[in-house]
Amino acid sequence: NAGVTQTPKFQVLKTGQSMTLQCAQDMNHEYMSWYRQDPGMGLRLIHYSVGAGITDQGEVPNGYNVSRSTTEDFPLRLLSAAPSQTSVYFCASSAKQGVNTGELFFGEGSRLTVL
Amino acid sequence: DAKTTQPNSMESNEEEPVHLPCNHSTISGTDYIHWYRQLPSQGPEYVIHGLTSNVNNRMASLAIAEDRKSSTLILHRATLRDAAVYYCILRGSAGSARQLTFGSGTQLTVLP
Repeated sequence: NAGVTQTPKFQVLKTGQSMTLQCAQDMNHEYMSWYRQDPGMGLRLIHYSVGAGITDQGEVPNGYNVSRSTTEDFPLRLLSAAPSQTSVYFCASSAKQGVNTGELFFGEGSRLTVL
Repeated sequence: DAKTTQPNSMESNEEEPVHLPCNHSTISGTDYIHWYRQLPSQGPEYVIHGLTSNVNNRMASLAIAEDRKSSTLILHRATLRDAAVYYCILRGSAGSARQLTFGSGTQLTVLP
């Protein structure tokens, strides 16, 4: 099983450029979410989705957009990249808590540098 | 929002047990207690979870206080590969962001 797949693994952008981080899962999970992790810090929730067509903001949503047109995919869009968005981004998915374990499965991360 | 509080760092000697505490005094009755760990340069991975009763799996044990306001992750024999950041989070049955919020975690250092 592929689990949660993130692309690209590394990306360098210039300030003002836009890009999309891709996230796909093959476990038919309802929940998907995006986190960012800055050096030496924990994970902060950017956006999350509880199912296709439903998204909501997390702790740090500014500067990011998401959509959930299918169960499998949850792309994260940076509209106009800023140096403050330099970070490692993790995508995660899970079944609803109470269905199996509700365990969160994480991707390997996408390291983004904005110059 | 239900939040968790963990010590910033802990140390353990190799092959000794480690007890990692987590306080969650505002936990609700439907919140599950989850533990994850993050090895260097990797995404977090699931360790264990529980609701009310103590739980054991091949990786660790989870001891939950009777009032559920705290829990302890127990690594029975720490190895160098257990050096990681350990996160305690609460997951409820409702689809809210609260259940997906990670704190700063505990950095576990294992000494040879």
